[in-house]
Amino acid sequence: QKEVEQNSGPLSVPEGAIASLNCTYSDRGSQSFFWYRQYSGKSPELIMFIYSNGDKEDGRFTAQLNKASQYVSLLIRDSQPSDSATYLCAVKTSYDKVIFGPGTSLSVIP
Amino acid sequence: NAGVTQTPKFRILKIGQSMTLQCAQDMNHNYMYWYRQDPGMGLKLIYYSVGAGITDKGEVPNGYNVSRSTTEDFPLRLELAAPSQTSVYFCASSYPGGTIGNTIYFGEGSWLTVV
Repeated sequence: QKEVEQNSGPLSVPEGAIASLNCTYSDRGSQSFFWYRQYSGKSPELIMFIYSNGDKEDGRFTAQLNKASQYVSLLIRDSQPSDSATYLCAVKTSYDKVIFGPGTSLSVIP
Repeated sequence: NAGVTQTPKFRILKIGQSMTLQCAQDMNHNYMYWYRQDPGMGLKLIYYSVGAGITDKGEVPNGYNVSRSTTEDFPLRLELAAPSQTSVYFCASSYPGGTIGNTIYFGEGSWLTVV
């Protein structure tokens, strides 16, 4: 079992719709969870981090964490063409390693 | 406000050559990481360090070595370069704890081609 898995893409949504990105992890001792966005040829940039079970909202982005199910998700409301990128889920494991998932490519169609 | 600085940005190596990718951060972060990213793939952890003098293997350490003699610097050494090491390499750092938590800050990447 891979340490961090994400829903396979590519994911296409129309402009203005909600994009839903999912991530599961294997280390039950993991405490910190991150969503990064990466444009082609650029380094990843942080969108959100979450530590506690439940929802965390920041503008059009909502992160959801369920530690019992070892599941973390990212919702993007009112998707814009500028949101088209690869989204990376990252997990800080109980061994202080930060492991990234394979990424999900999102395309927002005007 | 330099953040995480990587050098070189681009490099072409011949098979069997060795080189060192340099990484420096000026944020006084304890944790530093090296990742590689192959085309269309996610980031794979090569090595990481939780402080000066402490390093540990990540997911794909074979063919690489690291050292951490100071808080600021975390060089990655490639010995006997192979075509499979053609990739983009990202150095990153983080400071554990606090409201910012363990957010990782990335350098701009080093593009390495082995021919």
